[in-house]
Amino acid sequence: NAGVTQTPKFQVLKTGQSMTLQCAQDMNHEYMSWYRQDPGMGLRLIHYSVGAGITDQGEVPNGYNVSRSTTEDFPLRLLSAAPSQTSVYFCASRGTSGGNNEQFFGPGTRLTVL
Amino acid sequence: AQSVTQLDSQVPVFEEAPVELRCNYSSSVSVYLFWYVQYPNQGLQLLLKYLSGSTLVKGINGFEAEFNKSQTSFHLRKPSVHISDTAEYFCAVSVWGYSGGGADGLTFGKGTHLIIQP
Repeated sequence: NAGVTQTPKFQVLKTGQSMTLQCAQDMNHEYMSWYRQDPGMGLRLIHYSVGAGITDQGEVPNGYNVSRSTTEDFPLRLLSAAPSQTSVYFCASRGTSGGNNEQFFGPGTRLTVL
Repeated sequence: AQSVTQLDSQVPVFEEAPVELRCNYSSSVSVYLFWYVQYPNQGLQLLLKYLSGSTLVKGINGFEAEFNKSQTSFHLRKPSVHISDTAEYFCAVSVWGYSGGGADGLTFGKGTHLIIQP
């Protein structure tokens, strides 16, 4: 299993540009999430999905869109990038068996918005 | 809702010395507890987890943690640290038995940066 994969690893955008961060998992996990990590803030949940076709907002959803057309993929879209969205983005997935909610994380995408 | 407090944002330690990273949580129901490690420029990796049973949990790389229900703590310890342990450490909690939808899968602390000095 590749686990959780993310592309790209690094990205530089200009203010107002749009882009999509890709996330895929091959563990047949139902739940997938996007977090952003900023210095001193820990991980903050942006959006999450409990299954194909179902998404919901997390703690900091503004400026981001998501969709979940398949179990494997959960892309994160920035429609009009802003400097405040400079951050490291992590995708994570978890299954439902056992109920312990252990999350598996991707390697991250480091985004800079100029 | 549950919350996690990591009491130290940064912990400097000399190489081969012991270390303890502190984590306290609050929850009105039973919880599962996790420690994740993030090495520089990498993603998060599970270090150890407490689900049930023995309150002393052993993880990878010589780390261990002890669940103390009365003090609502889950402190991480290592008897002798190495330069390679330099990383960010995150404590996280999830509600026991929760398997439904919603964003309550995991709640993270803000992290503790472990700095190993030679």
